[in-house]
Amino acid sequence: AQSVSQHNHHVILSEAASLELGCNYSYGGTVNLFWYVQYPGQHLQLLLKYFSGDPLVKGIKGFEAEFIKSKFSFNLRKPSVQWSDTAEYFCAVSKRFNAGNMLTFGGGTRLMVKP
Amino acid sequence: DAGVTQSPTHLIKTRGQQVTLRCSPKSGHDTVSWYQQALGQGPQFIFQYYEEEERQRGNFPDRFSGHQFPNYSSELNVNALLLGDSALYLCASSLWVFTGELFFGEGSRLTVL
Repeated sequence: AQSVSQHNHHVILSEAASLELGCNYSYGGTVNLFWYVQYPGQHLQLLLKYFSGDPLVKGIKGFEAEFIKSKFSFNLRKPSVQWSDTAEYFCAVSKRFNAGNMLTFGGGTRLMVKP
Repeated sequence: DAGVTQSPTHLIKTRGQQVTLRCSPKSGHDTVSWYQQALGQGPQFIFQYYEEEERQRGNFPDRFSGHQFPNYSSELNVNALLLGDSALYLCASSLWVFTGELFFGEGSRLTVL
């Protein structure tokens, strides 16, 4: 079975600071990797995804993530955060080509950006 | 185009009672998945329905059951509620074929007293 670990439960940053959220997964086969975001009072939505190819993927709102296979990691980055990035961020994994698109989520990282 | 809609948004039950949560998937989607999100944790997969059958199931007891209707909407039923069932229950819709994306509703927050 897959599992996902997010090491930072709470992160507080000032606007314009750089962001890196850690994500490690455990699974013996080929995986797809995702970051989802939940803004206050809103539903979970996809931020970015990696299936194959270039291990550096770019998502919405200036976010990017890098897949490092040897480290089983998929860390999320943003060079300069904004107050509007305050949200909870979830890393998730699925088996490659899994019908039904079932996801296994990490525990989440709550990001607060101070204006 | 309506996204994923869930009802009710909030409800309070007492231990031992039963609850039914409802979900209408995004237009065009045929697969509904249910997740439980306890406070301070990530969503945990409960089960998934496609073609009115349970296709995959997570590590949840038989007290958790579900149904999918011909219009693709779905229900989650929880019997003999425990305090530990208090959580946000999320419905996610997708196509059955692999696309790599789920669309989530805003959830039903269940409090068990």
